[in-house]
Amino acid sequence: QQPVQSPQAVILREGEDAVINCSSSKALYSVHWYRQKHGEAPVFLMILLKGGEQKGHEKISASFNEKKQQSSLYLTASQLSYSGTYFCGTEMRGGGSNYKLTFGKGTLLTVNP
Amino acid sequence: KAGVTQTPRYLIKTRGQQVTLSCSPISGHRSVSWYQQTPGQGLQFLFEYFSETQRNKGNFPGRFSGRQFSNSRSEMNVSTLELGDSALYLCASRSDYGVEAFFGQGTRLTVV
Repeated sequence: QQPVQSPQAVILREGEDAVINCSSSKALYSVHWYRQKHGEAPVFLMILLKGGEQKGHEKISASFNEKKQQSSLYLTASQLSYSGTYFCGTEMRGGGSNYKLTFGKGTLLTVNP
Repeated sequence: KAGVTQTPRYLIKTRGQQVTLSCSPISGHRSVSWYQQTPGQGLQFLFEYFSETQRNKGNFPGRFSGRQFSNSRSEMNVSTLELGDSALYLCASRSDYGVEAFFGQGTRLTVV
């Protein structure tokens, strides 16, 4: 079951904030966040585990709401280097789904000067 | 340490042909997953291998197959190529206890 990401695209000016959401209709074990710059491989940002706390990575942080099966990625005071496509990947446990990382369609983030 | 290596980087094939893509994971990683990336569809999961066994499979037709060797290197095969198979194929490796998936640069397949 592919998670649903929103928005599909967002344009920011340097210094502005953004939130990217990732929702699943299934109970999740973990949510992963990756960023892919144009022409490059996706790069891991962080993981949120069921029952875990909000994670942070410099000015990028994320949360996981288990009741809603939704994760949000927060980018504060955006920099030009934040531009890229952000993917959330979800993992379930049981039912033969262990270790299967399923990604959303991505959110294209563009940060302009 | 060396990252995930995918070969070849680019391929052009004709409809009806078959193709084999290769992925060498990070040394020590036994899990290898394959994804198809197309514009607007994100990363579509193909399958995951661990210690030469397929643990998970996505919703792709049987024309897509894979295997993993004892050294953890993995190959993906697509038979009877269709125009819609044109995509970037990415593989990712994970350690037994790690959570981060390390992606290769991908193989860009164009079917004409």
